[in-house]
Amino acid sequence: GAVVSQHPSWVICKSGTSVKIECRSLDFQATTMFWYRQFPKQSLMLMATSNEGSKATYEQGVEKDKFLINHASLTLSTLTVTSAHPEDSSFYICSARVGDSSYNEQFFGPGTRLTVL
Amino acid sequence: EDKVVQSPLSLVVHEGDTVTLNCSYEVTNFRSLLWYKQEKKAPTFLFMLTSSGIEKKSGRLSSILDKKELFSILNITATQTGDSAVYLCAVGRGGTASKLTFGTGTRLQVTL
Repeated sequence: GAVVSQHPSWVICKSGTSVKIECRSLDFQATTMFWYRQFPKQSLMLMATSNEGSKATYEQGVEKDKFLINHASLTLSTLTVTSAHPEDSSFYICSARVGDSSYNEQFFGPGTRLTVL
Repeated sequence: EDKVVQSPLSLVVHEGDTVTLNCSYEVTNFRSLLWYKQEKKAPTFLFMLTSSGIEKKSGRLSSILDKKELFSILNITATQTGDSAVYLCAVGRGGTASKLTFGTGTRLQVTL
């Protein structure tokens, strides 16, 4: 159980275009999902917390208008990188919290590698 | 600001060796400490620790938490080449946010 999928696995796009990444919880409902970014040889940096039916909570320094998050259902959250630029190239990973777990346990999707040319 | 520090940053061992990875933390309203293994893709969950002194074990891996000294260790015995990965430690706060703060990871390479 507790399987999280992401789509696409990797994407290459031109500078100035927008890219949408989907995160799905396959066998459970996730009221809360998290979006992380990871640069090469660095750890995961939390970008935002996505709550079903309400606005996402962004970490300090993350531009809300650039990284649009929509959590429209209990099994799907999307991250849209708007007007992507080469510096947005990174590995984007989502995770989902199982149920109302108050112990922070999160299960991760396989990640999406974004390359902006 | 929450802080998670892992050591060593990187190590190389021979197959069959035993390794100990360290994680120390400073976090407000500590709730849990989690260990993940990351190979080429996203992290896979290993352990979650919430209580001091209780060892969690899964095969050749084990972990324990010391809430007084604010650290945890991850032990891997009889290492295999398949254990080569980055091991991430993350600490979670209490409250509804349940956010995790990750350390920079320990890169383990197991050679033949």
